[in-house]
Amino acid sequence: DGGITQSPKYLFRKEGQNVTLSCEQNLNHDAMYWYRQDPGQGLRLIYYSQIVNDFQKGDIAEGYSVSREKKESFPLTVTSAQKNPTAFYLCASSLTGTGDNEQFFGPGTRLTVL
Amino acid sequence: KNQVEQSPQSLIILEGKNCTLQCNYTVSPFSNLRWYKQDTGRGPVSLTIMTFSENTKSNGRYTATLDADTKQSSLHITASQLSDSASYICVAPRGDSSYKLIFGSGTRLLVRP
Repeated sequence: DGGITQSPKYLFRKEGQNVTLSCEQNLNHDAMYWYRQDPGQGLRLIYYSQIVNDFQKGDIAEGYSVSREKKESFPLTVTSAQKNPTAFYLCASSLTGTGDNEQFFGPGTRLTVL
Repeated sequence: KNQVEQSPQSLIILEGKNCTLQCNYTVSPFSNLRWYKQDTGRGPVSLTIMTFSENTKSNGRYTATLDADTKQSSLHITASQLSDSASYICVAPRGDSSYKLIFGSGTRLLVRP
């Protein structure tokens, strides 16, 4: 059963804590992405990785960090430096990192800061 | 400036009726435009992709059109069903970076019985 999974579905964080969101894909895709979705706004790119062991900042990378040690995994850490982390986080993957390839999205993680 | 704008912001229709969602894009150079459907609390799922040479493409009850001259795309839903209630998002690769996408803010559609 191929696809992209994210965990947990819901996550609660206290101010000052770091939290890590998991993203796994078994589609054998080279490229992976993290987006943030806020109400009434389009998805915004946090980080992307075109190949294992390489990643680049997106448009809103401040307060976030990632790693890409394995092709199938691209975890996102939301650090205490992110001042407004409450949002819906979506992970995606594509065969390669070009715009012609469809990005397949995971089910998302809703992060709430208490 | 590369932009994707959608209208209306939200729409309510009765089950069985048709509707059309609009997307205006200013992306240069243009390569393709994709429509995604996003159910509440879920990730987006691609409905169709439109390239420069395509005017119309259908996927079941969904028909997308593209007018490269006016830089407009539309998504027409025929004989709506309750399961069509979702957000519909228009997406285009950023002209200066093909792996970065520009997402519209979406049209939230509610189909009522």
